[in-house]
Amino acid sequence: DARVTQTPRHKVTEMGQEVTMRCQPILGHNTVFWYRQTMMQGLELLAYFRNRAPLDDSGMPKDRFSAEMPDATLATLKIQPSEPRDSAVYFCASGLVRMNTGELFFGEGSRLTVL
Amino acid sequence: TQLLEQSPQFLSIQEGENLTVYCNSSSVFSSLQWYRQEPGEGPVLLVTVVTGGEVKKLKRLTFQFGDARKDSSLHITAAQPGDTGLYLCAGARISGTYKYIFGTGTRLKVLA
Repeated sequence: DARVTQTPRHKVTEMGQEVTMRCQPILGHNTVFWYRQTMMQGLELLAYFRNRAPLDDSGMPKDRFSAEMPDATLATLKIQPSEPRDSAVYFCASGLVRMNTGELFFGEGSRLTVL
Repeated sequence: TQLLEQSPQFLSIQEGENLTVYCNSSSVFSSLQWYRQEPGEGPVLLVTVVTGGEVKKLKRLTFQFGDARKDSSLHITAAQPGDTGLYLCAGARISGTYKYIFGTGTRLKVLA
C-alpha cells in the first residue's frame, strides 16, 4: 500500500533548538501540504507545493519556519529556533490534485513537544 | 479567522441515535470534502462533493453540499461505536491554485 511517511513520529526538544521534520509523499502525487494540528486551532495549513514548487506559505511564521521540497520524494519542514508554542502534531499530506478536487492522503504525523 | 466553522464541536450520543454535523462558511468553495480522524492517525477521506446541492450516501452516512457551495452537512443514521472519531470538513479554495482549508472539527463519541 502506498502511504505518506513522516519522520520523526515523536520529537521532544528544548526551546531554541532546531527541528526538522521530513515527509515522503506518495509517488506520482503532484501536491504536498504541511498542516499543524492543535486542540485550540485545529488543522492549520502551513504551506503547500505543487509539482515541487512552493505555492503558498502564508500560514507559516516566516521568521522561524521554512518548508522545502528538494526532490519529488522528500518534503521538509524546519523550525529554527523552536519555541514552546510550536508544540503540536505536524501532518504532511499528498494528493493528485486536478481541477477542483483530489483526495489528500495524510501521514501519521510528527508530534513535537518543545520544552 | 476560521473560514470553516463546524458545529457541534463535541457530540456524545448513544448507539442507534441519529446525528447531523454542520460545516459553514461565508466563502464559496469549489469542492468540499469530509474526513474522519482517529487518535494517533492522520485524517482519512470519506467523501468529496463538488456540485451545489449534491447529496452523496456512504452506507449510513449522508453528505450534502449547500446550493451556494458555502456549507455542507454530514448525517449519520443509527450511529455505532465504530463511528467515534474526529470529523473534519475541508474546502478547496481557488486562490491562484487550489488549497484545502480544514474546518474546526466535530469530535463524536458513540456509546455502546
